[in-house]
Amino acid sequence: AQSVTQLGSHVSVSEGALVLLRCNYSSSVPPYLFWYVQYPNQGLQLLLKYTSAATLVKGINGFEAEFKKSETSFHLTKPSAHMSDAAEYFCAVSDQTGANNLFFGTGTRLTVIP
Amino acid sequence: SAVISQKPSRDICQRGTSLTIQCQVDSQVTMMFWYRQQPGQSLTLIATANQGSEATYESGFVIDKFPISRPNLTFSTLTVSNMSPEDSSIYLCSVEGLGETQYFGPGTRLLVL
Repeated sequence: AQSVTQLGSHVSVSEGALVLLRCNYSSSVPPYLFWYVQYPNQGLQLLLKYTSAATLVKGINGFEAEFKKSETSFHLTKPSAHMSDAAEYFCAVSDQTGANNLFFGTGTRLTVIP
Repeated sequence: SAVISQKPSRDICQRGTSLTIQCQVDSQVTMMFWYRQQPGQSLTLIATANQGSEATYESGFVIDKFPISRPNLTFSTLTVSNMSPEDSSIYLCSVEGLGETQYFGPGTRLLVL
């Protein structure tokens, strides 16, 4: 079975500082991994995804994530936080049989301090 | 990626009533999904809706409470029946797009009084 753990339900960073949102997964088979962002009062937007190609994945808005099999991690990073990055971020995993088997983490709320 | 719209975007309902949420996609898709996001929580899959067949419900969700229709490849509805305050949530539909990825609609924010 697949599952995702997001460490830290709330993360605060200063504007211009590094953003690091943690995600660890559990999967009995090679996973597909996703990061979604949810801005206030909006739906989910795909940031990036890992589907067994390059382990370093670049997404929209300057975000990237690295798949580390040995650590079962898929942490999300951005070198310099912007005020517009304030949102809820969800990590999700599927088992490569299709996007229908998608399991979400509990989310991390990112606050950017001016 | 697909463009997905939902109606209504938000609603306030009285307990005991029902609300039907519509999800429209701008392209034909095989699989559509309905999720619930309770306040301050993550997403929970309610059911998978395939055109021409009964929806497949996840554990803890039943058809009598959440009937789903999927009349064609671009449209689905989710009804929240006999609502109680515990049904206050965001309801999101999503579709399976290219590259084994789900794309989400903007959500319907439901408050039950």
